[in-house]
Amino acid sequence: GAVVSQHPSRVICKSGTSVKIECRSLDFQATTMFWYRQFPKQSLMLMATSNEGSKATYEQGVEKDKFLINHASLTLSTLTVTSAHPEDSSFYICSARDLAAGTDTQYFGPGTRLTVL
Amino acid sequence: DAKTTQPPSMDCAEGRAANLPCNHSTISGNEYVYWYRQIHSQGPQYIIHGLKNNETNEMASLIITEDRKSSTLILPHATLRDTAVYYCIVRVGPGNTPLVFGKGTRLSVIA
Repeated sequence: GAVVSQHPSRVICKSGTSVKIECRSLDFQATTMFWYRQFPKQSLMLMATSNEGSKATYEQGVEKDKFLINHASLTLSTLTVTSAHPEDSSFYICSARDLAAGTDTQYFGPGTRLTVL
Repeated sequence: DAKTTQPPSMDCAEGRAANLPCNHSTISGNEYVYWYRQIHSQGPQYIIHGLKNNETNEMASLIITEDRKSSTLILPHATLRDTAVYYCIVRVGPGNTPLVFGKGTRLSVIA
């Protein structure tokens, strides 16, 4: 299947700092990417939908000014957690839609574990 | 909200077939059934999807009932590396609708 990468895989930061997470589709172009968050022992929760060249669409309860999303190219979307606090510590996972051959399958990155001290 | 119901956990002996059920009684005619799995601390992995016909690939088989209200994911010869949380998701076909995850089934493959 198609490959999606994330960087970094793990980050530890101090409270109040900002952290940027990159999501790349390596072998396909993705006009749409999705960002999820997963807390321990819970399922994935959709945070936002990222569309190339336009503003992201955020799910209810997700602060757009805190979680900045930029999808500047067909292979890269970034999520910046601004002024991070300990409650933002979570596993962040991106996903990209592969429309090749009409399959319309979502592929996921390996995730980024954020720990805010 | 997830539109599927799955048992929270299942065990399977190594080498045996793992049959994971999923109920989706409110599925619409244009919604597909997708299966993903998540091994601990990794991103979800796509397994298979289907609309109404049974599907098979190198990883698994998907059996969808004729009324499409339920389906079963079959791993024909489970190995220890198949231990994971398996998610059954229904979603409209081509479009920008994202996958919405429920709680899934935690499959434990036992030696």
